[in-house]
Amino acid sequence: QITLKESGPTLVKPTQTLTLTCTFSGFSLRTTGVGVGWIRQPPGKALEWLALIYWNDDKRYSPSLKNRLTITKDTSKNQVVLALTNMDPLDTATYYCAHGAVYFDYWGQGTLVTVSS
Amino acid sequence: EIVLTQSPGTLSMSPGERATLSCRASQSVSSRYLGWYQQKPGQAPRLLSHGASSRATGIPDRFSGSGSGTDFTLTINRLEPEDSAVYYCQQYGSSPRTFGQGTKVEIK
Repeated sequence: QITLKESGPTLVKPTQTLTLTCTFSGFSLRTTGVGVGWIRQPPGKALEWLALIYWNDDKRYSPSLKNRLTITKDTSKNQVVLALTNMDPLDTATYYCAHGAVYFDYWGQGTLVTVSS
Repeated sequence: EIVLTQSPGTLSMSPGERATLSCRASQSVSSRYLGWYQQKPGQAPRLLSHGASSRATGIPDRFSGSGSGTDFTLTINRLEPEDSAVYYCQQYGSSPRTFGQGTKVEIK
């Protein structure tokens, strides 16, 4: 059974760096073909694809956020970490991690991050 | 970057009716790499279909995806009250893997 869960701060100040951790079970990021992605959703708005990391450590980023995003993995801990620098109130959103190298077939419950001073 | 435009924005239907949701891409989606998701309020999205027309595990056959190139459709037959949700398409044929802006389906 595949499960994922996001963790991290619920409130960050403008200009700070957000660090979110996705802890998963039921699969391994050592397995060929596996990927984990991050997606966010501002309140009342659409989904926005952010980043993806593959089993071979290949990484893909949203071009609009590429300069601010870093995705890494710790296969021994079954975790994927997303860092987003220089946070702005417009980055307020629910952040999801999800299993999938192409489409996302399993999702975490999401974590709401608010950016406010 | 491929932009996905979904229409209509909102669909108000009655139980038992058929809903047709459209997803149009700004350029051709390679190998029909398009998926559909359902999101209910307060929940994470759920994968409905991938590869344009392959239903995900556990999805009822009332849901069917079709299309190719730049035009894709999600059809929901025999609408049920539980189908009330926002539906998103996503292309994964090229990076970044973009989502559409969503279609809200309301059941009267």
